[in-house]
Amino acid sequence: QLQLQESGPGLVKPSETLSLTCSVSGGSISSSSYYWGWIRQPPGKGLEWIGSIYYAGSTYYNPSLKSRLTISVDTSKNQFSLKMYFVTAADTAVYYCARGTTDNGNWFDPWGQGTPVTVSS
Amino acid sequence: SYELTQPPSVSVSPGQTASITCSGDKLQYKNVCWYRQKPGQSPVLVMYQDRKRPSGIPERFSGSNSGNTATLTISGTQAMDEADYYCQAWDSNTVIFGGGTKLTVL
Repeated sequence: QLQLQESGPGLVKPSETLSLTCSVSGGSISSSSYYWGWIRQPPGKGLEWIGSIYYAGSTYYNPSLKSRLTISVDTSKNQFSLKMYFVTAADTAVYYCARGTTDNGNWFDPWGQGTPVTVSS
Repeated sequence: SYELTQPPSVSVSPGQTASITCSGDKLQYKNVCWYRQKPGQSPVLVMYQDRKRPSGIPERFSGSNSGNTATLTISGTQAMDEADYYCQAWDSNTVIFGGGTKLTVL
């Protein structure tokens, strides 16, 4: 059974870089049938897609965040990562990683448990 | 940019049918999926390709998509179905989420 686990610091200072890693177990991140995504949820609010990456490295980013993002994949570690630059308090959220499927539509399943990130000095 | 609109809240009595809508321009031409999120938990996929249920999702969950509106229907709603529900679609290489609907079973 595929499982995803987010990891990274829970507290980041304003203007610094948020770095998160998603470790994938129970399956290969190199499968061409899937892609890998990051989604976040600010406290008390809805879901916001951050971006996605295919195992070969092609990426798609939320246009509103694109200038501050880098998503990468490390097939040797079966992990993918998120870097968000110049964070502000508005980036405080629970960050989820998930596996995506493209097949007459796009959906995420399963999701990781999520990791809370607070941006504060 | 493309937008998906959901009602903030829907209430239903136990055993009755709950319908949660998701509206977007010409939505019928996109494939919609739905997630259920209970407090403190990660979202769980409950419907994909408009009307397909993942394994483990009860048959009382069904989906449709016509015109500008996709609908998630829960028949014989149970207390355990109380949660936030989000629709999601794909447009121009971006993932779009609806704002979410809080389903209350009372």
